[in-house]
Amino acid sequence: GAGVSQSPSNKVTEKGKDVELRCDPISGHTALYWYRQSLGQGLEFLIYFQGNSAPDKSGLPSDRFSAERTGGSVSTLTIQRTQQEDSAVYLCASSLATNTGELFFGEGSRLTVL
Amino acid sequence: QKEVEQNSGPLSVPEGAIASLNCTYSDRGSQSFFWYRQYSGKSPELIMSIYSNGDKEDGRFTAQLNKASQYVSLLIRDSQPSDSATYLCAVNFDSNYQLIWGAGTKLIIKP
Repeated sequence: GAGVSQSPSNKVTEKGKDVELRCDPISGHTALYWYRQSLGQGLEFLIYFQGNSAPDKSGLPSDRFSAERTGGSVSTLTIQRTQQEDSAVYLCASSLATNTGELFFGEGSRLTVL
Repeated sequence: QKEVEQNSGPLSVPEGAIASLNCTYSDRGSQSFFWYRQYSGKSPELIMSIYSNGDKEDGRFTAQLNKASQYVSLLIRDSQPSDSATYLCAVNFDSNYQLIWGAGTKLIIKP
């Protein structure tokens, strides 16, 4: 597709379950970001991938969160043992190169933890 | 600590008027500045980028950058109800890939 694709668009899960969120960036975009946005709040940086370089994981809130990017394209964000405070919209963005702020966002994955 | 500040609003502007959105940032080493628009329930979309002092115009939108005073503004001329959204300011410090985001200003255009 032409844009950043995220799935699922909506996920409801029970506390303690694991969830996986997927992001397929724009073709040719080497940089990929994951952000989290809670209701009415700003963007919280989670993790950054650039090509084959080691990812910047400095924004991951706890060791329950992990992410990988296979083949420099699709990325998966995994949240283990979900908690209610994990409820938020998880946004993926990609960009053509490093040190630009021209990000293209997916529509997000809304996670609700009951 | 690198920070980007925006007035959270809401900023209410009558239709057809100029909407002025402001953003200040903490680091003089900042390189690049971006305005994103986020409609309620949607994801952010880039509307303007500015890299050097002065004004940059794109249709009804004008971005203004003043590095000496460490602020960047977004002007929306002939405001339309469809401009009602939250506007996010983002700053790229030291040519780093990491963007620092403001919390956003909610803009309401009243018909």
